[in-house]
Amino acid sequence: GQQLNQSPQSMFIQEGEDVSMNCTSSSIFNTWLWYKQDPGEGPVLLIALYKAGELTSNGRLTAQFGITRKDSFLNISASIPSDVGIYFCAGRGSIFDGGATNKLIFGTGTLLAVQP
Amino acid sequence: DSGVTQTPKHLITATGQRVTLRCSPRSGDLSVYWYQQSLDQGLQFLIQYYNGEERAKGNILERFSAQQFPDLHSELNLSSLELGDSALYFCASSVTSGDLRGELFFGEGSRLTVL
Repeated sequence: GQQLNQSPQSMFIQEGEDVSMNCTSSSIFNTWLWYKQDPGEGPVLLIALYKAGELTSNGRLTAQFGITRKDSFLNISASIPSDVGIYFCAGRGSIFDGGATNKLIFGTGTLLAVQP
Repeated sequence: DSGVTQTPKHLITATGQRVTLRCSPRSGDLSVYWYQQSLDQGLQFLIQYYNGEERAKGNILERFSAQQFPDLHSELNLSSLELGDSALYFCASSVTSGDLRGELFFGEGSRLTVL
């Protein structure tokens, strides 16, 4: 199925380090969502972005909606062990706005491991 | 707690069998989505219902079907099960039909193991 390109695929970092991951798409989106999935659980919404250039924070997390509308990034500052999990981006375009689809498309995920 | 309830949490069955997964969306949400997550794949969109009607179809096999009932709960039926159908099946709900800015809220998933 159609998916976004999300990178990196995995990250292994030390507690206290900052983390950055991003998603890119070949088509433009008007919504970007970032989710976190703990093992055996469902994805939990972290941040939602609706405007190009928008920068939104949620605690130690910051996400941005790229100006080109084809990318988004998520930063986590001062990582802690409970940040461990899989982070997914998700994007939705509009066929009325030059996008390829109205459906919400998920990235392939970034596995984050934090060493205490 | 997202407010989306899925049952059963775990299910083990044999090839060729049929199972039904159930989802209750968040109170007030009209849209229900079904996703499949296998070990080596991300979240694959299967199907969406909005207020009882099928709204969008993704990579859903012909052996699978779903419906949304008047009380807005949804069921995903998986039949003639194969080993490769073993996966986590997630239900998600949103207020809108999905054509607008509605965010998706996920349940905890149903883990299906086909032996």
